[in-house]
Amino acid sequence: TQLLEQSPQFLSIQEGENLTVYCNSSSVFSSLQWYRQEPGEGPVLLVTVVTGGEVKKLKRLTFQFGDARKDSSLHITAAQPGDTGLYLCAGDLVESNYQLIWGAGTKLIIKP
Amino acid sequence: KAGVTQTPRYLIKTRGQQVTLSCSPISGHRSVSWYQQTPGQGLQFLFEYFSETQRNKGNFPGRFSGRQFSNSRSEMNVSTLELGDSALYLCASSLQGPSYEQYFGPGTRLTVT
Repeated sequence: TQLLEQSPQFLSIQEGENLTVYCNSSSVFSSLQWYRQEPGEGPVLLVTVVTGGEVKKLKRLTFQFGDARKDSSLHITAAQPGDTGLYLCAGDLVESNYQLIWGAGTKLIIKP
Repeated sequence: KAGVTQTPRYLIKTRGQQVTLSCSPISGHRSVSWYQQTPGQGLQFLFEYFSETQRNKGNFPGRFSGRQFSNSRSEMNVSTLELGDSALYLCASSLQGPSYEQYFGPGTRLTVT
């Protein structure tokens, strides 16, 4: 059983469309990280959210941490082919011990 | 600042053999974590080292082991390889631990035949 559920697992849309990816759990996290991974490479950290209700923006990407710190979302506005990749969320459980809990990822393809 | 490097990038081994993978973290980073990534299971935590000490270990059999040297470089070893060990092995370094900003290497693609 995945402690962190990501949805959708796969998303293929046209350039210019908007999309939202979700990361949900029944557990409380002290922080949550979002990464993007491209084929043949390791994940690259996009953002870390720490405070419940926090919203962070990275150009066309908007990240939100749920008020109860159990869930997070990533919204992409006007998606571009360069946004293509595997998006992963990883949470630091309040009682964690030097280990992140990882979601299975959302594979995103943006078609030109 | 140089990024995280992993060697080798690709490796082909046969069942029953053993393999050693290497990871050089970013200079100044004392924490190194290892992960196994497969299409079916996603990113699975193997273990984390900090200042030569293993602080946490994931749910992997004892065939998987690691170590960290005084210069923070880390190695992981897999003995008696099985077909199911075929995966991308990633290491990540950070200043103090996985809860902080992690920087990943490009990974080592291991194929067991």
